[in-house]
Parts: sequence; structure tokens; C-alpha cells
Amino acid sequence: ELKVEQNPLFLSMQEGKNYTIYCNYSTTSDRLYWYRQDPGKSLESLFVLLSNGAVKQEGRLMASLDTKARLSTLHITAAVHDLSATYFCAVDIGLNDMRFGAGTRLTVKP
Amino acid sequence: ETGVTQSPTHLIKTRGQQVTLRCSSQSGHNTVSWYQQALGQGPQFIFQYYREEENGRGNFPPRFSGLQFPNYSSELNVNALELDDSALYLCASSIKHRGLYGYTFGSGTRLTVV
Repeated sequence: ELKVEQNPLFLSMQEGKNYTIYCNYSTTSDRLYWYRQDPGKSLESLFVLLSNGAVKQEGRLMASLDTKARLSTLHITAAVHDLSATYFCAVDIGLNDMRFGAGTRLTVKP
Repeated sequence: ETGVTQSPTHLIKTRGQQVTLRCSSQSGHNTVSWYQQALGQGPQFIFQYYREEENGRGNFPPRFSGLQFPNYSSELNVNALELDDSALYLCASSIKHRGLYGYTFGSGTRLTVV
């Protein structure tokens, strides 16, 4: 059975600290997405990672993909309160099906 | 450039009823996917439409059906509603049907079945 596992599921950080969210998946895929969701809101696309070794950065967020290890990471640098949200990774498994992880609920405290 | 719009934003239905949710895709996007997101969980893929035909389907029963129109807008229909159908329903559009450029999500329809 296909599994997309994120950890941690809950993360409480102090402002200014660094942390990494991990996304492991159990099937072959060369395409992975990261999304952000604020409470009661829709999903905002953060990164599209299309190949092994892909690394993308936007502001304080950096995402990477290792297709051999079936692992993607979302690294947060010097967290600020505005980053508080739920972060989802999603794996493209073909047949136009995108499978999501359970999400990581991030809270950044002053 | 307009984004993805969904209607209605909230809906309450009774078990056994039928519901139709609507989605207008982002300008220039020709593919629409529908997802169900239960409270506290990640979205689950229902199906995708490309060129007015179903182009992939997740593990949902046939009472979940859809349409895509020539202007690329889409409908999700759910028959014989069950309590477990209560969820946020998200529509996502993309330029290419394999999402090479990512997907743009609408704000969702919150369906409550009582």
C-alpha cells in the first residue's frame, strides 16, 4: 500500500530557530509537491520538485528531493510567526493521482 | 488572471440527498482535479478531468461523479450522501494534465451532511 509519511506531525518552534520537516514515500515517483494551508483556507503551492537532487528555495523555506531514498525535506531557516501553518507534501504516483501526507502543523512562537 | 473559484463555499445537506459542487479553473488551465479533505487530514484524490473526460480516479465509489465543460469548468456530483462525506472539497486546476507546473487550488466547498 502506498504511504506518504510526514514527520513530525506537530512542530512548535521558537522564532529564529531552524528546523526540517521530512516526507517519506513508499513508491517510485520523480515528482513531489509542497503545499501550505492556513486554518480554514485552501492550499497554496510552495514548491514543485521534478527530479532527483532538485533543490528549491523561497525566502526562509528550502525544499529538496532524493528520489533514490524516496525522501523530501522542507527546511525552515530562522522561523518567523508568519510561517505558522500546516505544510503538506504530495507525491505524484501517476494516473494523475497526487497522494498527500497527513500534514505537519507548524506553530512558531515569539 | 483569475484563480480557481469554487461554489458554494458552505453547504449543509441531509443524508441520502444529492449535491453538486462547482469549480471554475484558472485561466489557461485545461485540467481539473477534485480532492476531499476530512478535518485534520490531508486531501484525498477523487478524480481528474482533462478535455472533458475522466483522466484518473482515486479510491472513491461511483456515487462520486463529475463533469468538465468546454470552458474547462467542472462539477462534482455526489449521490446518496453519507455522514462520512462531510469534508472540505477542493478543486485544483493545472496547465498540463501531469501537473508539471503544479496545481492551483480553489478555496474549497465545506460540505456538512447531517
